Amino acid sequence: KAGVTQTPRYLIKTRGQQVTLSCSPISGHRSVSWYQQTPGQGLQFLFEYFSETQRNKGNFPGRFSGRQFSNSRSEMNVSTLELGDSALYLCASSLDLMGRRGNEQFFGPGTRLTVL
Amino acid sequence: AQTVTQSQPEMSVQEAETVTLSCTYDTSESDYYLFWYKQPPSRQMILVIRQEAYKQQNATENRFSVNFQKAAKSFSLKISDSQLGDAAMYFCAYSLNLNYGGSQGNLIFGKGTKLSVKP
Repeated sequence: KAGVTQTPRYLIKTRGQQVTLSCSPISGHRSVSWYQQTPGQGLQFLFEYFSETQRNKGNFPGRFSGRQFSNSRSEMNVSTLELGDSALYLCASSLDLMGRRGNEQFFGPGTRLTVL
Repeated sequence: AQTVTQSQPEMSVQEAETVTLSCTYDTSESDYYLFWYKQPPSRQMILVIRQEAYKQQNATENRFSVNFQKAAKSFSLKISDSQLGDAAMYFCAYSLNLNYGGSQGNLIFGKGTKLSVKP
């Protein structure tokens, strides 16, 4: 089975722009979660999508949004980029909602976003 | 709110030796999962080992084992016979058990421990 894929792998944007990141989960996985990883804050949960619905959301401003399509692929969007949004954005997929039956999350390689 | 603390930002071990990474967590819940994830340099994060809070027996996966002390809220990872490929960032993580409902099952991570393996 192919693993979790994320595109693009690297992205450079300027302040004020918006960006869309894409994630394709492992075939058959219905849950997709997004995390932001920075040296200062570590790994922080953004949101989780399951069956095209946002089921859980972390403590991030409304500039961060996402969606999930019927094939479970997911996108996250960040509008009005700020310098502090520079980070590695990780996508993870699992068979079921996180927390059910000790679901293992399978992580993608991440998208490295640099905001100038 | 649940928190996960890894007090060792960096650790070093000699190849073939044993090393223990520490993790403590805080929660008022009784039913949850604990995980150790490994993130090698420039590579994808992978699950190393998983522990269910209701299981008293410590989980083991080949050279990796945990010491789960529920009352002390401690969850340490022991790596035996360390190999060069074990060099990575190791993250301890927590999630609620949602087998009976709810949706707040996201992973809560510690800040990580960078493990170096000396040949």
